Amino acid sequence: DQQVKQNSPSLSVQEGRISILNCDYTNSMFDYFLWYKKYPAEGPTFLISISSIKDKNEDGRFTVFLNKSAKHLSLHIVPSQPGDSAVYFCAARRGGADGLTFGKGTHLIIQP
Amino acid sequence: EPEVTQTPSHQVTQMGQEVILRCVPISNHLYFYWYRQILGQKVEFLVSFYNNEISEKSEIFDDQFSVERPDGSNFTLKIRSTKLEDSAMYFCASSEVTGARAFFGQGTRLTVV
Repeated sequence: DQQVKQNSPSLSVQEGRISILNCDYTNSMFDYFLWYKKYPAEGPTFLISISSIKDKNEDGRFTVFLNKSAKHLSLHIVPSQPGDSAVYFCAARRGGADGLTFGKGTHLIIQP
Repeated sequence: EPEVTQTPSHQVTQMGQEVILRCVPISNHLYFYWYRQILGQKVEFLVSFYNNEISEKSEIFDDQFSVERPDGSNFTLKIRSTKLEDSAMYFCASSEVTGARAFFGQGTRLTVV
């Protein structure tokens, strides 16, 4: 069962442009959402999060948007840089739970 | 920045053998987790640990698995009798509060042959 879905396995963006990574979820009990970035042979690294009571959270070049009615969130990276090339995971937490439910990830490739 | 460390980075074991994966969480964190990622699949939650006991576990975390905090710094995952399908990357993580921003280790690649 895919409660968190990242439908794009990969995304290619030119350096300096905006990268938009999308994530959909099905479980209405999720109350907290996170984005993680992962390089090969490393563990996931936290990027940014958002609570379900908000619709936007910004941190430097990274902005996460949450549309609860559509059960959709997105991560915007502006401007995209070569070091942003990695796999990006969307994750969600059910209210009262400890564990995170992850999507399958999107491989972002920033082209020079 | 403080980090979660895991040892070993790669473990090869024979089917049916017991294996222990080790982790040193960030020192002031109170919540500890194990996740795994089978090659080509998503990261999956196994178990969370707080106040010296399991606080939540997934369906994957059956009787073959156990966790322990044997001292003030280490957090271990034991697989009693490994199966081929246990081959995966195992990630340890820790956080200050439950389910929020978790810091992950670099992972242990377990290969069961």
